[in-house]
Amino acid sequence: DIVMTQTPLSLSVTPGQPASISCKSSQSLLNSDGRTNLYWYVQRPGQSPQLLISEVSYRFSGVPDRFSGSGSGTDFTLKISRVEAEDVGVYSCMQSAQLPYSFGQGTKLEIK
Amino acid sequence: QVHLVESGGGVVQPGRSLRVSCAASGFIFSTYAMHWVRQAPGKGLEWVAVISFDGNHKYYADSVRGRFTISRDISNNTLYLQMNTLRPEDTAVYFCTRANWVVSYAFDIWGQGTMVTVSS
Repeated sequence: DIVMTQTPLSLSVTPGQPASISCKSSQSLLNSDGRTNLYWYVQRPGQSPQLLISEVSYRFSGVPDRFSGSGSGTDFTLKISRVEAEDVGVYSCMQSAQLPYSFGQGTKLEIK
Repeated sequence: QVHLVESGGGVVQPGRSLRVSCAASGFIFSTYAMHWVRQAPGKGLEWVAVISFDGNHKYYADSVRGRFTISRDISNNTLYLQMNTLRPEDTAVYFCTRANWVVSYAFDIWGQGTMVTVSS
């Protein structure tokens, strides 16, 4: 099974400052079709998870462009260029390259 | 509007069974693979099971295989998770979610979740 490891598990950021979350997989997420099945989700307080980014770097509809995803193979990063108060929540990466699918532990973002 | 609404959660004793449901609306249910994802109190997300669009293929997490069964009823646009031989570690909020091929099979729609508590 593929294990997803996120760092850090928590971070506190001043509004307007950048934030970065790392996600590493125990195996490459590159599929034979050339796609990389790595996604980012956010769960805001009291809400269900929401899709942020698919296939490493494609922002989902309505996601602000201050969110960006990058990486390849086994190393991936979610960046927020300028954190806003509404970005509070738990950010989780997920792989679907191989069943069973798996999530990272989640990174809790707080605002200073 | 596209909606997923879970129901059926509750408190159940260890070893007993429970079935949770997920009512889908606003999209052609029969054309999407569907998943269950759970979240134990204070913990991260855990993928549980998937069923193909036609119901012919199913796959489970090791932690639930042999005890849980995912199914779907296309006639009433509902996804199910039958949970047998429940354990305290199955206590969690259970979310149903849709895998959308338009966004590389990402989980683009989630329900609000239903809480299952396994306790004596």
